[in-house]
Amino acid sequence: AQKITQTQPGMFVQEKEAVTLDCTYDTSDPSYGLFWYKQPSSGEMIFLIYQGSYDQQNATEGRYSLNFQKARKSANLVISASQLGDSAMYFCAMRGWGGADGLTFGKGTHLIIQP
Amino acid sequence: NAGVTQTPKFRVLKTGQSMTLLCAQDMNHEYMYWYRQDPGMGLRLIHYSVGEGTTAKGEVPDGYNVSRLKKQNFLLGLESAAPSQTSVYFCASSYSRYGANTQETQYFGPGTRLLVL
Repeated sequence: AQKITQTQPGMFVQEKEAVTLDCTYDTSDPSYGLFWYKQPSSGEMIFLIYQGSYDQQNATEGRYSLNFQKARKSANLVISASQLGDSAMYFCAMRGWGGADGLTFGKGTHLIIQP
Repeated sequence: NAGVTQTPKFRVLKTGQSMTLLCAQDMNHEYMYWYRQDPGMGLRLIHYSVGEGTTAKGEVPDGYNVSRLKKQNFLLGLESAAPSQTSVYFCASSYSRYGANTQETQYFGPGTRLLVL
């Protein structure tokens, strides 16, 4: 079984600053995938970024990057140059071996960007 | 390309009533999932399907049934609704279970808010 821990229930950040959202995971699977999703107040789940456990490089997608430290079992999301539109809930999730049980989600971090 | 759509968007039920939530995807994805999201929680997997005609239980399957008669549709049924089933329900789909980013990423529908009185 997998477990995702997000230790920051809420964060306030000034606009244009960089943001790091923490995520640690626990699994005994040899292969897994890590995801970050954004959920704005409108409620939809928006895929942001993916990291495979065997990927040698940290994933990047525009202003999003994933700081993957396999030995520490952490997969932190970094948002550069934050914008007001980044205010939302952010969920870290993982897929275990074979993906048979869907994704395991953390409880999320509520990010608020202040002007 | 509509992606993943869900019907209805919002529903109010009385305890003991039944209903079916419909999920449709137009991305030719093989895998489909139903999750529920409760306040202060991440999403939890209810049931999933690895292809047309196949379904399997997830983490919280009790009180729900599913069917996948067509590849593009995944139905979630509540036979006798209970207040504990008040939640937001999300459907998702993916091309594969695992693999590279483009294969295993799950794409979500907009959600259905269900209130059981």
